[in-house]
Amino acid sequence: EMVLTQSPGTLSLSPGEGATLSCRASQGVSSSYLAWYQQKPGQAPRLLIYGASTRATGIPDRFSGSGSGTDFTLTISRLEPEDFAVYYCQQYGRSPPGTFGQGTKVEIK
Amino acid sequence: QVRLVQSGPEVKKPGASVKVSCKASDYSFINYPISWVRQAPGQGLEWMGWISPYNGNTNYAQKFQGRVIMTTDASTSTAYMELTSLRSDDTAVYFCARGRQEWLALPSEYWGQGSLVTVSS
Repeated sequence: EMVLTQSPGTLSLSPGEGATLSCRASQGVSSSYLAWYQQKPGQAPRLLIYGASTRATGIPDRFSGSGSGTDFTLTISRLEPEDFAVYYCQQYGRSPPGTFGQGTKVEIK
Repeated sequence: QVRLVQSGPEVKKPGASVKVSCKASDYSFINYPISWVRQAPGQGLEWMGWISPYNGNTNYAQKFQGRVIMTTDASTSTAYMELTSLRSDDTAVYFCARGRQEWLALPSEYWGQGSLVTVSS
């Protein structure tokens, strides 16, 4: 069964800094069917990236996704105060679809 | 705009069942599968499965096979997720979500507000 491992568990950064979040799959993700979500406390997740690198509607261009196969990255170029949150990757190419990583928390340093 | 409005909080005893609803509006309900995701307190997201309102096809995560029943009612544009034989570790917020593209369940672009289910004796 597919397992997604996100690293690091927590990232402590200051506003204006860049962030690099990793998501590694235990098996190749078909056709780069990999998505990234942002979740803030008490809120539903928000889709940021799908197809490994395509920004969802309304997502600022400081968010970018890359990768293929088993290694994927979410990059936030310059952290804004509203970007401090938990980020999850999800694969939807292999059965069972829908597997999430355990999340990376981006916190204010 | 697309809206998914879920039912309110529930408190259930171990062994009971719970049925959470998700009412959709402002889009063609039957064209978009609905996924269900849960989140235990302080924990990550867990995908439970999806259902197609078009033909009732379902795809459940193996962990929930035999315990979850997802249904839809096209006449009211409402999706339901019933979880049976509840245990304390089923305490979680349950989310419904809609895919970004017709006929595809994932990825999920629109989400309900979440429904807290508490299982306690």
